[in-house]
Amino acid sequence: KAGVTQTPRYLIKTRGQQVTLSCSPISGHRSVSWYQQTPGQGLQFLFEYFSETQRNKGNFPGRFSGRQFSNSRSEMNVSTLELGDSALYLCASSPGSATNEKLFFGSGTQLSVL
Amino acid sequence: DQQVKQNSPSLSVQEGRISILNCDYTNSMFDYFLWYKKYPAEGPTFLISISSIKDKNEDGRFTVFLNKSAKHLSLHIVPSQPGDSAVYFCAASAGNNDMRFGAGTRLTVKP
Repeated sequence: KAGVTQTPRYLIKTRGQQVTLSCSPISGHRSVSWYQQTPGQGLQFLFEYFSETQRNKGNFPGRFSGRQFSNSRSEMNVSTLELGDSALYLCASSPGSATNEKLFFGSGTQLSVL
Repeated sequence: DQQVKQNSPSLSVQEGRISILNCDYTNSMFDYFLWYKKYPAEGPTFLISISSIKDKNEDGRFTVFLNKSAKHLSLHIVPSQPGDSAVYFCAASAGNNDMRFGAGTRLTVKP
């Protein structure tokens, strides 16, 4: 079974631009979660999608948004990029049907904002 | 809003000795706890988990202990091996598919 796939692997943008990151979950997984990893802050929860609906949301500004498609693939968008958005963005999937499930992570997209 | 805290950014131990990584949480609704390991340029991988109905779970060299009254959990690695050198993240969930992570502890196991 293929793992969680994130594209692109690396991205360089300038302040004010917007960016879209993509995530393909493990086949059969219907829940996709997004995290931001920065040094010292660990993994900060952005949001979780299940069956094309945002089910949970973290404490990030509205510039961060996401969506999920009918095939469970998910995209995350950040608008009006700021220098502080430079981070590793991780996507994780799980079956989504149980209340407590372990997450399977992709390798992440490293975003640099100049 | 750091609901899961790992107060030690780094830990260094000698090969063959015990490594103890600690984690504290504030949300009393958390009922499922996990440890993940992360190598550079890779995503975190699941290591071990524990439900709030237990106070200990073992898997080979890895043991997780949960103290609900203290809202504290720890990961013990015995014996530690150089290949265990990585960043370890503690995570917790309240049964709502919203999993929160700590800041991580970088473990270095010296040969």
